[in-house]
Amino acid sequence: SQKIEQNSEALNIQEGKTATLTCNYTNYSPAYLQWYRQDPGRGPVFLLLIRENEKEKRKERLKVTFDTTLKQSLFHITASQPADSATYLCAQEGYSGGYQKVTFGIGTKLQVIP
Amino acid sequence: EAEVAQSPRYKITEKSQAVAFWCDPISGHATLYWYRQILGQGPELLVQFQDESVVDDSQLPKDRFSAERLKGVDSTLKIQPAELGDSAMYLCASSRAATGYEQYFGPGTRLTVT
Repeated sequence: SQKIEQNSEALNIQEGKTATLTCNYTNYSPAYLQWYRQDPGRGPVFLLLIRENEKEKRKERLKVTFDTTLKQSLFHITASQPADSATYLCAQEGYSGGYQKVTFGIGTKLQVIP
Repeated sequence: EAEVAQSPRYKITEKSQAVAFWCDPISGHATLYWYRQILGQGPELLVQFQDESVVDDSQLPKDRFSAERLKGVDSTLKIQPAELGDSAMYLCASSRAATGYEQYFGPGTRLTVT
């Protein structure tokens, strides 16, 4: 079955630096990859969606890449701020059992140190 | 800005009791999802509705869990009887369609089974 993997270890970076989070998937290439932000005790909030035929997507300080050869998506936050501290979830969307299915990773906790 | 509503926000119940959660998705969103999230894990899909029809309930423990979306709008998730292992955050999300669109999450219901 399809799996999606995120680094379960927390990522600590200095304010102002670029944070890079990794999402790897196995088997088939998903049609879409999505990235969400989740703060403690709250529901996830959508950030970016990238399609299989897109290599890169940007939104303000955020950038997502999709490498179907490496079976990997990278999520970048440039000029990171303490307010960016949160857990970031990667989700893949692909066909399974005849319909579209979204599967989330376990998330990577980002801590931006002032 | 439209939001997904969930109630209650918190629920404490004793083992073997029945519990129900309610979700009101964003108006016009055809797809509705119920997820369970254990601390430190990503959201796990329990059931997905397309309008009033269930399209995926493969991870729903059907001996004790049930879900309905009778008129294709709001939805109810029920657990009967509750078990200690059901303690988790229950998240509802909606999207315009089942494929290629971001999901909007509600605030979640934190369930504690004692």
